[in-house]
Amino acid sequence: NAGVTQTPKFRVLKTGQSMTLLCAQDMNHEYMYWYRQDPGMGLRLIHYSVGEGTTAKGEVPDGYNVSRLKKQNFLLGLESAAPSQTSVYFCASSYVLVGALQETQYFGPGTRLLVL
Amino acid sequence: SQQGEEDPQALSIQEGENATMNCSYKTSINNLQWYRQNSGRGLVHLILIRSNEREKHSGRLRVTLDTSKKSSSLLITASRAADTASYFCATKSSGSRLTFGEGTQLTVNP
Repeated sequence: NAGVTQTPKFRVLKTGQSMTLLCAQDMNHEYMYWYRQDPGMGLRLIHYSVGEGTTAKGEVPDGYNVSRLKKQNFLLGLESAAPSQTSVYFCASSYVLVGALQETQYFGPGTRLLVL
Repeated sequence: SQQGEEDPQALSIQEGENATMNCSYKTSINNLQWYRQNSGRGLVHLILIRSNEREKHSGRLRVTLDTSKKSSSLLITASRAADTASYFCATKSSGSRLTFGEGTQLTVNP
């Protein structure tokens, strides 16, 4: 059971380049999330998904797109990278208990992105 | 915007001492969760306390929740060097996703 995995672990981009971050989970979780973590700002939600084929905007969605074509995968795309997108990106997943609002999240190891 | 705010931002103690971190939040919640993040790693869920609970224990962790004051505390007893990490509170409210605070950096000196 690998849990939540992220690819790549580290990447350097030039301004204007594009890239896709891949998140995979093997826990059959319905919900998946993408966060960015910056010094002094905690975790901020970029986009999330409540099931295969669905996506929704979080707190800081601008400049990012996502897709959830398969239940186990959640992709985060940067179409035209900017230095402000330099950050550590975390993917997470959670199960859903019918009637409950638990939403305990399981995190991947993170992707460090540097945009020059 | 961040719902939870941790206090203090940083805490340094000696091994064997207790560590207490606090979290305050602004709106009504369904539950509050604490996570730990070791340097360079993802967050790991520690404990969840529901809005109708006042105290919860898990091993050396003790969490309290005071909904009237909109605050929670995390107590780590008999701390170890391996407890050195950042600790985040996260709040869950109806109709919204889990919202994380900015974290408390705990350093436990051997």
